[in-house]
Formats: sequence, structure tokens, C-alpha cells
Amino acid sequence: DGGITQSPKYLFRKEGQNVTLSCEQNLNHDAMYWYRQDPGQGLRLIYYSQIVNDFQKGDIAEGYSVSREKKESFPLTVTSAQKNPTAFYLCASRRFGGGQPQHFGDGTRLSIL
Amino acid sequence: AQTVTQSQPEMSVQEAETVTLSCTYDTSESNYYLFWYKQPPSRQMILVIRQEAYKQQNATENRFSVNFQKAAKSFSLKISDSQLGDTAMYFCAFTAPLINAGNNRKLIWGLGTSLAVNP
Repeated sequence: DGGITQSPKYLFRKEGQNVTLSCEQNLNHDAMYWYRQDPGQGLRLIYYSQIVNDFQKGDIAEGYSVSREKKESFPLTVTSAQKNPTAFYLCASRRFGGGQPQHFGDGTRLSIL
Repeated sequence: AQTVTQSQPEMSVQEAETVTLSCTYDTSESNYYLFWYKQPPSRQMILVIRQEAYKQQNATENRFSVNFQKAAKSFSLKISDSQLGDTAMYFCAFTAPLINAGNNRKLIWGLGTSLAVNP
């Protein structure tokens, strides 16, 4: 079955450490997105990508980086510059076309050790 | 500013009854899409229903339907014959332009309504 796979489900970061969250989709979707979800704040867009080797900053990109070397993959790195990384991270993808909805992975919970 | 307001942080309903979740939004765009997503305790975000702003007919998906009032910028979700599996956080969202993204759009999200369906 097609879908979006995020791994790991839980991740712990030490102070000063960079960590990478994986997102893979086999839906042949063009666009991919990373969101951060905090309690009481809804979803906020971190980065998005429309095609391979192209990505743009969203609303809260500071302290994060991404790459899009393959259409299927859009990994997110949480760098040591992100001082408050504890959150639930959701990856999404969608096909281009009016009204096409975003499809989501199961998320990664990142916590500070 | 483009915003979504869900004025009911928490709601509860008895199994088999009907409940309506409210959503208002603000945008200067004339064409956009609106969505309701549910997020059960498993945390997976699942599409419930979508509506194109140009269509006057309200969207329906089985037990889920919307009341879309474009002039009032209102997009409420009605759940009929509520089931225990409907217990979840419900988010309202609409599409907004992205900078340097052509026809790509981002979603503007509300803060959610936590719905509990009681047996």
C-alpha cells in the first residue's frame, strides 16, 4: 500500500547534537512538507519542497535544514541551533492539482535528554 | 493576516448523536480549499472532508458534512451518528499561497477542537 513512512517514531537529542528525521513516500507525490506540532499551537510549517533539489523555508525554519535529493525522500535535520526542539514532527506530501489534500505520516516525537 | 479560528477547544457528544464543530477563517483570496482533518490518539493526521470555495454545494462524506458560508468565512463540520472511533482532535485548515512556489499552496491551521464521544 502507498503511504508516507516517518522514522523513528521516538527520538532523543542531547545538547549540541544534530538529529535527522526520516520521511519517505511511495505515493509519487510532487510536493513534500515538514510541520511542527506543539500543544495548543496547531501545526506550523517548517520547510516545503516542490521538486527534487529544490526546497523553501516555511514559517519557522530557523534551526532546521532539509534536503530533497530524491522525489521519495525529504529528511529533516534538527540542528543544535534549534533551542527548543521538543515537539511532534509531521511530514506530509501531496500531488499537484487544485484541491489535492496533503497526506501525512505517523509523526516523530523528538525530546531533549 | 490569514488565520483560522476554532472557538471550541473541547466538546463532547453521546454516541449516536450529532455534533457540530465550528470554524471561521480569514483570507483575501477568492479561490481556496478548506479541509477538516482528524487526529486520533495515535497522532496520525487523517483527512475527513474538503471543500472548494468556488462550489456552493456543501461537501459530504458519509456521516460527515460541512456547512460552508463563504461570505461569512465559516466552515463548520457536522458529524452525524457519532461513533466512539470519532474521538479525536479535529483541525480546520485552508490553502494559502506560498512564496516562490508557483501554484503550490500551504495550509493554514486552526488550533483544533478535542472531541470526545461518550458511550
